[in-house]
Amino acid sequence: DAGVTQSPTHLIKTRGQQVTLRCSPKSGHDTVSWYQQALGQGPQFIFQYYEEEERQRGNFPDRFSGHQFPNYSSELNVNALLLGDSALYLCASSLGTGGTETQYFGPGTRLLVL
Amino acid sequence: GEDVEQSLFLSVREGDSSVINCTYTDSSSTYLYWYKQEPGAGLQLLTYIFSNMDMKQDQRLTVLLNKKDKHLSLRIADTQTGDSAIYFCAETHSPSGTYKYIFGTGTRLKVLA
Repeated sequence: DAGVTQSPTHLIKTRGQQVTLRCSPKSGHDTVSWYQQALGQGPQFIFQYYEEEERQRGNFPDRFSGHQFPNYSSELNVNALLLGDSALYLCASSLGTGGTETQYFGPGTRLLVL
Repeated sequence: GEDVEQSLFLSVREGDSSVINCTYTDSSSTYLYWYKQEPGAGLQLLTYIFSNMDMKQDQRLTVLLNKKDKHLSLRIADTQTGDSAIYFCAETHSPSGTYKYIFGTGTRLKVLA
């Protein structure tokens, strides 16, 4: 049973560029959440997708957008990259959005913006 | 408001017990979690506790919850060098019916041989 997978593992971009990160949830899970973890910090919630819709959003600008596909996989897009967007981006999946369902995390994509 | 705080560092000797503390502000938290993160890796769920419980034990791990003081702790018995990692507590928060996780800043545990 595959856990949560993310691609790519590492990425280097320059300021102003756009990036797309991908996540496949754990088998049987239908909800995907994205987090940004800056160096030395805890993960910060970006948004959550369920039934192909954004259900909840953290305090991130509109440059951060996402998508969920019918097979429950998800993408995170970041436009007009800033140096401060350099971080580890974590995807977590769960079954449902009710809060009692445990989230399982992928290994993350490390993004460096130069 | 939403805030979860943890002390930054903890150092213990191998074989001793470790206690990692966490305080949170949202009294409506439903579940509280402990995650472990090793260098270069994602987060691994260790254990969780429902907000109407005071204590949960899972092998070497004991979670204590003081809901009145909004204080959560994780005790690791017989700490091993493999327990060296960053430990995050997290609460689930539901501002509008769907849940999101609020994480603390993490406690770096160093186990000395």
